[in-house]
Amino acid sequence: AQSVTQLGSHVSVSEGALVLLRCNYSSSVPPYLFWYVQYPNQGLQLLLKYTSAATLVKGINGFEAEFKKSETSFHLTKPSAHMSDAAEYFCAVSDEDGSEKLVFGKGTKLTVNP
Amino acid sequence: EAQVTQNPRYLITVTGKKLTVTCSQNMNHEYMSWYRQDPGLGLRQIYYSMNVEVTDKGDVPEGYKVSRKEKRNFPLILESPSPNQTSLYFCASSGISSGANVLTFGAGSRLTVL
Repeated sequence: AQSVTQLGSHVSVSEGALVLLRCNYSSSVPPYLFWYVQYPNQGLQLLLKYTSAATLVKGINGFEAEFKKSETSFHLTKPSAHMSDAAEYFCAVSDEDGSEKLVFGKGTKLTVNP
Repeated sequence: EAQVTQNPRYLITVTGKKLTVTCSQNMNHEYMSWYRQDPGLGLRQIYYSMNVEVTDKGDVPEGYKVSRKEKRNFPLILESPSPNQTSLYFCASSGISSGANVLTFGAGSRLTVL
């Protein structure tokens, strides 16, 4: 079965610094990969998704992620953190090729310091 | 506005008192699912439904029931709640209109079982 591992349950950066949130996946088929963000007291919303069209995926709010098959990774980055980026971020993989069921990582809470 | 609506948003109940958390979507989505979110465990799927009258167990179905009698509604039923079901619950849906695997989440229902 597919799975994802998010390295680091908490990440803290200064405003203006690079944001790097790590995600490694395990999949027996070409994966569909996702990043979701959860702002305080809200549901999750899609940041970006990878569906094999391009290895570098651009999402909302300046975030992007790069699919690296050789490293089985799908790390999320943003060049310059903003205070409003403080949230919890979840990496997810489709359970099967094209399946609606997503398997989520345990999440990484991002803190942005002024 | 396209959305997934959950009710109630907050609920405190006692052990053994049956309760239902409603979920409704207005996007004509085929797929609906329930997740629970617990600190350090991320999101775990409880049940899902591929369409009307089609439901299946997720990863943590024990103690829960669901039904899908109408396409728009997918209630989560706790027949005899126990304290270990204290959690934050999310309903999500997806379908052709949102793109494959792109889940739209409700705002969450925080349940406390005493």
